[in-house]
Amino acid sequence: RKEVEQDPGPFNVPEGATVAFNCTYSNSASQSFFWYRQDCRKEPKLLMSVYSSGNEDGRFTAQLNRASQYISLLIRDSKLSDSATYLCVVVNNAGNMLTFGGGTRLMVKP
Amino acid sequence: DVKVTQSSRYLVKRTGEKVFLECVQDMDHENMFWYRQDPGLGLRLIYFSYDVKMKEKGDIPEGYSVSREKKERFSLILESASTNQTSMYLCASSFESSYNEQFFGPGTRLTVL
Repeated sequence: RKEVEQDPGPFNVPEGATVAFNCTYSNSASQSFFWYRQDCRKEPKLLMSVYSSGNEDGRFTAQLNRASQYISLLIRDSKLSDSATYLCVVVNNAGNMLTFGGGTRLMVKP
Repeated sequence: DVKVTQSSRYLVKRTGEKVFLECVQDMDHENMFWYRQDPGLGLRLIYFSYDVKMKEKGDIPEGYSVSREKKERFSLILESASTNQTSMYLCASSFESSYNEQFFGPGTRLTVL
């Protein structure tokens, strides 16, 4: 089993739709989680951190479910500019390494 | 604004050649990282460094080495390039602790023929 797993997609949604991605992780002791965004042929950039209590930033909401060992990203009112690959990231126990999921590709259509 | 630069965007080398990939950051970050990114496999950590002259193996260090002689510069070395090292190589840097945001360079697409 991979340490961090994501559905590769693509998720094709119309503008204005709400879309959610999940990411599962194998190490139950993991403490910190992030979502990064990667545009086509560009480098990854931090989108948001995932806190135990959840985290909302505008149209984006990140949630953590420790019991089931997954994190989620919800995007409301999708924009064309949201089209990208979303990478789930888990910090290891020692806090010195990140493990990236394979990414979920989102395509928002007009 | 944090800037991480990589020496080349595209590189083509032959099997057996020694390859140097350079990464420079301008934000006085302690941590620097080298990843490779392959379709379906995501980003995988090759090596990282917390300080000058310090290095730690990541998940896939075989076939690679690194050098960090100055705080701002982290080099990835392929001693004898092989075709299975054809990939996108991404450098990143961050302040102390992986709980901090990592800033990535634009990547180097290496093709080994």
